[in-house]
This record gives sequence, structure tokens and C-alpha cells, in this order.
Amino acid sequence: QVLLQQSGSGLVKPSQTLSLTCTVSGASINSGAYYWSWIRQHPEKGLEWIGHVYYSGSTYIDPSLESRVVISRDTSKNQFSLRLSSVTAADAAVYYCARDRGRSGIFDFWGQGTLVTVSS
Amino acid sequence: DIVMTQSPDSLAVSLGGRATISCKSSQSLLFRSDNKNYLAWYQQKPGQPPKLLISWASTRESGVPDRFSGGGSGTDFSLTISRLQAEDAAVYYCQQYYGSPPRTFGQGTKLEIK
Repeated sequence: QVLLQQSGSGLVKPSQTLSLTCTVSGASINSGAYYWSWIRQHPEKGLEWIGHVYYSGSTYIDPSLESRVVISRDTSKNQFSLRLSSVTAADAAVYYCARDRGRSGIFDFWGQGTLVTVSS
Repeated sequence: DIVMTQSPDSLAVSLGGRATISCKSSQSLLFRSDNKNYLAWYQQKPGQPPKLLISWASTRESGVPDRFSGGGSGTDFSLTISRLQAEDAAVYYCQQYYGSPPRTFGQGTKLEIK
């Protein structure tokens, strides 16, 4: 059973950095079979893919967010993380981590979601 | 980026009936070399993450009832849910994974069971 458990602050001040972590069980971050992804969902809106990290540490970030986003992994803890800097109200959303099966772009397991509020 | 457009935005269908959701992509999702359509469908219920239902346009995930079926090719796809049950009330999303990222989703279709 693959489980993705998210942690991190759900409240971020404007201009500060959002930081979330996804801890994986039942699968290894160190496997070359998957990408490990972050996806967000604005209130009452659709889903927006943010980017992914590979076990090697290489990443692919959506160009619209590339200047503000860092996705990293810690294979010793079987975790991967998202950092989004200079947040504004437009970044308020539910953030999900997800496994990209076979590096195909199919998201087969998801974290529970973290509601991020941007407020001073 | 590939734009995904779903229709309708919402629909209400009677218990036991059939619902069909359409998804159109701004470019073909059919990869000629493997003859596969790079499209997935997800179901999302309130307060939950999306759940993968179908990949490759028509391949159901393990455990997904056969009441759910996906079809289409190229730029036009559909998700059909037959013999609707109350538990099928949800928002449904299509998503393309053709070629390199970014991965993009449709805007979602809200299904209500009457």
C-alpha cells in the first residue's frame, strides 16, 4: 500500500516562503520508476501541475512558477519537498503531492492535501 | 501548453441513469508510435484528493467498477458512467500526459445524482 503523507505549514505570510514535505511509504523515492510531483488546486478551481523531482534530484518545474519553486528530495528519509518563494494571495490553494507512475504523467497515488492560506 | 476543455461544467442525472462527460484537447493526444492516447480521468469528492479512474483513455484502474468507461481518440474523449449510484456524485477531471510536461487538467465537471 503506497501512502503519501504531507506535512508543513498551512499559513504563510505574503512575500514569505511556503514549505511542504511529502513522506512516502510503501514505495521508494530512490526508485527510478517514478517521478514525485506537486499539484495545487485553487479554491473551487481546477488542478494545476507544479513540477516533479526524480530520484537523481533532477527536476522539471512549470515555466510559470520556475523562478519561485524548488522541489527537492531526501532519499534517506523517503521524502520530497516543495518550496515556493515570494508567495501572494494567488498562491492560496490546496497543495497535493502525488506519485507519477512510470514517469508517464499518470498520477496514481496522492497525498491528503494541505490547505495553504496566505495572510499576514 | 495543451489546453483541456471539458463539457458540461455540471450535470444532474437520475439514480440508475447514465452520465457522459466530454473532454477535448487542443492537440492530439494519440502517439502514433504506440497507438496510445495519453489521457487520464480522475474522480474527486469533497475534501479528498483526486482518485485515478482511467488511464490511456480507456484502461480502468484496478478496483474501479466497470460502470466507468472511457473512450475516444486524438482530441475528443469521453467518460461514461452507467447505472449511476449515489456514491458517484463527484467532480471529474480529464488530464493529458502527452510528451513533455507541463501536465494539464480540464476544468472539471460536477456530477450530481438526482
